[in-house]
This record gives sequence, structure tokens and C-alpha cells, in this order.
Amino acid sequence: TQLLEQSPQFLSIQEGENLTVYCNSSSVFSSLQWYRQEPGEGPVLLVTVVTGGEVKKLKRLTFQFGDARKDSSLHITAAQPGDTGLYLCAGVVISSGSARQLTFGSGTQLTVLP
Amino acid sequence: EPEVTQTPSHQVTQMGQEVILRCVPISNHLYFYWYRQILGQKVEFLVSFYNNEISEKSEIFDDQFSVERPDGSNFTLKIRSTKLEDSAMYFCASRYGSNTGELFFGEGSRLTVL
Repeated sequence: TQLLEQSPQFLSIQEGENLTVYCNSSSVFSSLQWYRQEPGEGPVLLVTVVTGGEVKKLKRLTFQFGDARKDSSLHITAAQPGDTGLYLCAGVVISSGSARQLTFGSGTQLTVLP
Repeated sequence: EPEVTQTPSHQVTQMGQEVILRCVPISNHLYFYWYRQILGQKVEFLVSFYNNEISEKSEIFDDQFSVERPDGSNFTLKIRSTKLEDSAMYFCASRYGSNTGELFFGEGSRLTVL
């Protein structure tokens, strides 16, 4: 069972277009992170959202956490070729310990064509 | 900027051989993790480590796997007898201890089992 579903799986757009990537779950998360991963490298944290309904902006990227803290979206305005990469959402699964492992979605591979 | 470092970047080994992957987490971090990513698949949690012991482990982390932090800085993942299906990118991550669970990832060690 996929705890975190990301859509779309692949997205190819022209430079200057806008796009939205979705991350959905039936579970409630205490927080949710978005990462970007380049080929052959580790995931790099972009943002953490904690509060239901929270919106965070990072230049042309807008992240939103759903009111029920079960879903999140990433919106990119005026995409550029440098935005190309694998975008991963990851949620904190609260367990009996304090280690709080992250569960990753399967990712959205974004390609922005010049 | 402090970062998580991993060695080796790439290791090729024969099936049945032992492999040790090394990680130096960010120095003031308290929680340490190993994740793996099989080519083309999602990032999967293996194990978390806190206060010199395993906090949580996934079903992937069977008896062939072990972790330790022998000298207070290095955090190692050992695979006792590698299998073909162990071929993957292995990522080390660390976290200071914030409740939001933000992890900082290393660049990964690519393991190829022949």
C-alpha cells in the first residue's frame, strides 16, 4: 500500500509554464517535507510544512499543506530548465519511538524544456 | 555549510561478500538514518539510530544488515552477505532532533552487486 501517492509521475513542460504537483495520503501527518533529487545525488530539502492549511513560498515555488494534513501540493510558476529534477514529498510517520522516520512518495519527475 | 558525507561513492562487489558503507553525519545531530533507493524506485526507509541503538527498522532491514556508530562520528551500514537485490543507492541522513523531522541527506553510496 502506497502511504503517499504523488501525481503526476512524469511531467514535461515548456519553459515559462506553470505546474502543480500533488501528494496525497489517507493518513494524517504531523509534518510533510518536499525534497528535490538530482540524478546520482541525495534528496535536498526544499521546505517543511507543519500546520494544516499552511502555505510557504520559496521564490517561484509555492507549497501548501492541506487543512486535514493528509495532502500537499507544490506549484511552480514560470518554470525554468533549472527546475528539472525529481520532486519528492515525504511525511513524518509518528511511531512509538522518537526517531520519526520519513515515508517518501514515489516522486514526480519534472522536465522543463527550453 | 555542514553536510552529511558518505563513502564510498560507488562500490562494486560480488554476491555473498560483506560490504560496509560509511557516513559522517552533521556533527551536532542526534538521529541517524539509512535509506535506500533501487534504480527507478522510491526512497525506502531502512533503519533509524538514536542514543547508540536502533530506534526503528523496516522489514527490509533483516539479519543481513547491521548498523553501528563505533567512534561517535562515523555511522556505518554493514551488509553481511550481499545479494543481487541489494544493488541500490544507499543514503545516510541525520537530524538534530526537531519535531518537524527535517532530515539532511548525504549524496549516497551506489552499491552494485554482481
